[in-house]
Amino acid sequence: KQEVTQIPAALSVPEGENLVLNCSFTDSAIYNLQWFRQDPGKGLTSLLLIQSSQREQTSGRLNASLDKSSGRSTLYIAASQPGDSATYLCAVTGGGNKLTFGTGTQLKVEL
Amino acid sequence: DAGITQSPRHKVTETGTPVTLRCHQTENHRYMYWYRQDPGHGLRLIHYSYGVKDTDKGEVSDGYSVSRSKTEDFLLTLESATSSQTSVYFCAISAGENTEAFFGQGTRLTVV
Repeated sequence: KQEVTQIPAALSVPEGENLVLNCSFTDSAIYNLQWFRQDPGKGLTSLLLIQSSQREQTSGRLNASLDKSSGRSTLYIAASQPGDSATYLCAVTGGGNKLTFGTGTQLKVEL
Repeated sequence: DAGITQSPRHKVTETGTPVTLRCHQTENHRYMYWYRQDPGHGLRLIHYSYGVKDTDKGEVSDGYSVSRSKTEDFLLTLESATSSQTSVYFCAISAGENTEAFFGQGTRLTVV
């Protein structure tokens, strides 16, 4: 059974800092990995999708990397802003096109 | 934003009553999913559909059933609601295998 772990569970940083969120998974037989953002009381917003054959994807200040063989992904956020405060979730897609989620990292960016 | 509408957005129901949640999409995507989100457990898959009338169970399917009679609609039914089914329910869609998934805004269900 696929297990997805996100560390740390919570993170507080000052505005402007660069930061890294971590995601690890136990079964490397994945099709892709997706990073999401969730604001309190809201749905999930897709940030980045990395296919299993790719090493990284970039969107604006966000950069996600994938090391499938070691079962790890990182989400790098450059020059963090208070508006980046949210919970960040990673999910891997396995057989049946089903996503398995980590429990998330709650990020707070302080002024 | 992907065209996904969940209804109702909030519901309070009594133990033992049947409840149906609806997910409607305007994207003509093949795959549709129902997840529940609970503190300490993250999002867990309940059921999913890979086409009209084609559905399968997820990780936490006991006590739930689904139906998909049209591409755009995926219904989740709690046959006899229990307090353990108090949760936030999310619908998701994806166009095909190995494609990006998009989520609805969620339905907060409270069973009293």
